[in-house]
Amino acid sequence: GAVVSQHPSWVICKSGTSVKIECRSLDFQATTMFWYRQFPKQSLMLMATSNEGSKATYEQGVEKDKFLINHASLTLSTLTVTSAHPEDSSFYICSARLGRSYEQYFGPGTRLTVT
Amino acid sequence: GQNIDQPTEMTATEGAIVQINCTYQTSGFNGLFWYQQHAGEAPTFLSYNVLDGLEEKGRFSSFLSRSKGYSYLLLKELQMKDSASYLCAVREEDSSYKLIFGSGTRLLVRP
Repeated sequence: GAVVSQHPSWVICKSGTSVKIECRSLDFQATTMFWYRQFPKQSLMLMATSNEGSKATYEQGVEKDKFLINHASLTLSTLTVTSAHPEDSSFYICSARLGRSYEQYFGPGTRLTVT
Repeated sequence: GQNIDQPTEMTATEGAIVQINCTYQTSGFNGLFWYQQHAGEAPTFLSYNVLDGLEEKGRFSSFLSRSKGYSYLLLKELQMKDSASYLCAVREEDSSYKLIFGSGTRLLVRP
């Protein structure tokens, strides 16, 4: 149980285009989902906290107009990278909190390459 | 401010024991997590400590001292597949349950 999926697993896009990444909790309801970014050989940096039915809370330094987060249901959150640039190339990982549990379950990640 | 420190890299021998330390200074504390991450993959949960002491789970154990802001992950009977990054993460004491990750420790297990 407690499986989180992400789609796509990898994507290549041209500079200036937008890319949407989906994060789904497959067998549980997630009131809270988190979006992280990870550059090579670095740790996970929290980008934003997404609560179902409300606006996402962004970490300091993360542009909310560039990284659009929508948490429309208890099983789906989406991250849209708008007007992507090469510096946005990274590994994007989502996690979902199981109910009131302290545990977060991570998705397999999406590798974004912007050319 | 927030500060979570871990050694950058460690090397150990197959069959041996290795201890990975983590020190933290955060504005709040509501638990400390250890995750394992293989290259190009998502982190997988290893352990959670919220009270002082040692939590043992098979070959993996985790220790916490809240007064010292210190934790360690102990890996016994090392196997080659244990070569990975080990991430220490602190949950701050608020309602969001967000995690603040350390920089991670890359462990290389040699034959």
